[in-house]
Amino acid sequence: EAGVTQFPSHSVIEKGQTVTLRCDPISGHDNLYWYRRVMGKEIKFLLHFVKESKQDESGMPNNRFLAERTGGTYSTLKVQPAELEDSGVYFCASSQFVTSMGYTFGSGTRLTVV
Amino acid sequence: DAKTTQPNSMESNEEEPVHLPCNHSTISGTDYIHWYRQLPSQGPEYVIHGLTSNVNNRMASLAIAEDRKSSTLILHRATLRDAAVYYCILRDDGSGGSNYKLTFGKGTLLTVNP
Repeated sequence: EAGVTQFPSHSVIEKGQTVTLRCDPISGHDNLYWYRRVMGKEIKFLLHFVKESKQDESGMPNNRFLAERTGGTYSTLKVQPAELEDSGVYFCASSQFVTSMGYTFGSGTRLTVV
Repeated sequence: DAKTTQPNSMESNEEEPVHLPCNHSTISGTDYIHWYRQLPSQGPEYVIHGLTSNVNNRMASLAIAEDRKSSTLILHRATLRDAAVYYCILRDDGSGGSNYKLTFGKGTLLTVNP
């Protein structure tokens, strides 16, 4: 089966610009999660979708970040406007059930804000 | 979230067994012990999980102490492709309706020598 796909793999943007990251989960996986690692810190949870609904967005850093999952398939994470501290690697993961024990992660999008 | 403690780094030789320890003295009765690993330039990859009994799969074995306050991930024959950061994570089983986010620590950087 195809894994979790994220694109772009790399993005370099200027401070103040907008960037949209996309995640395609494994087909049939209702649960989709966003995580990120910034500046050598630990990987942190951002939010969790169940189908198209946001189940938990407690990790979203501020209102410059907007995540959507229209139709319950792929998800986008928009950063607008981007700041220098948003640089890092953004990971997406999916699972079939909320209680699934192993999540499948994508390879991530490396975002650099200059 | 219950916390785990792992050594910052470990070294092994190729084709030798590797024992990666993890302490989780504050584990609760509904916490599963999960292990993920992250290869260079990849997203985290699920390795194994367990609750009370030792577990084996094609990737590794998980040995859980009787009091569940520690566990050990065992790679039976390390290969160069096993060089990665290994994360020990506690995750609630969800029966109480809690969310399912993963809390990553710093993990253990495993170096495998040829």
